[in-house]
Amino acid sequence: AQSVTQLDSHVSVSEGTPVLLRCNYSSSYSPSLFWYVQHPNKGLQLLLKYTSAATLVKGINGFEAEFKKSETSFHLTKPSAHMSDAAEYFCVVSLSYNTDKLIFGTGTRLQVFP
Amino acid sequence: EAGVTQFPSHSVIEKGQTVTLRCDPISGHDNLYWYRRVMGKEIKFLLHFVKESKQDESGMPNNRFLAERTGGTYSTLKVQPAELEDSGVYFCASSQTSGGASNTQYFGPGTRLTVL
Repeated sequence: AQSVTQLDSHVSVSEGTPVLLRCNYSSSYSPSLFWYVQHPNKGLQLLLKYTSAATLVKGINGFEAEFKKSETSFHLTKPSAHMSDAAEYFCVVSLSYNTDKLIFGTGTRLQVFP
Repeated sequence: EAGVTQFPSHSVIEKGQTVTLRCDPISGHDNLYWYRRVMGKEIKFLLHFVKESKQDESGMPNNRFLAERTGGTYSTLKVQPAELEDSGVYFCASSQTSGGASNTQYFGPGTRLTVL
């Protein structure tokens, strides 16, 4: 069975400092992995996705994530946080094999201080 | 191109009442999904339509929930009768393809349901 664990429920950073949001997954098959972001009162927006091509995936707004099979991790990073990055971030796994069902992590709320 | 839209954005009802949520997918997307997030928990899959057919309804919590997608366009999710534990945010998503690496689900803003 697949699952995804987001290791931090809250992360706080200062504007201009790096962001690291951690995610570990469990999957019996080669997974597809996603990061979605939800800003206050907005829908879920796709940041980036990994689908077995390049292990380093670049997304929107300067975010990127690296798929590490040996560590079963898919951490999200950004070199320099911006105030507008404050939101809730979800790591998501999908088998993409015989089901479209997405499995969500519990979310990480990112705060950015000036 | 318009994104996934959901109506209403908020709904407050009393226990035992009926509520119907609506989702309009992105035009041309055959696949439509419902998810929900109960307070303090993760977002969970409810069901998946391909056009008007239910492809996977393994996440539907019980028979108080009825999802339809007549004509394969918009979908409705009815809760009857509503219970307190049904409170949460209901998300709809759509995708053009089904399965495989190219499947990307685009989400709507959600409907926040509060059952008193």
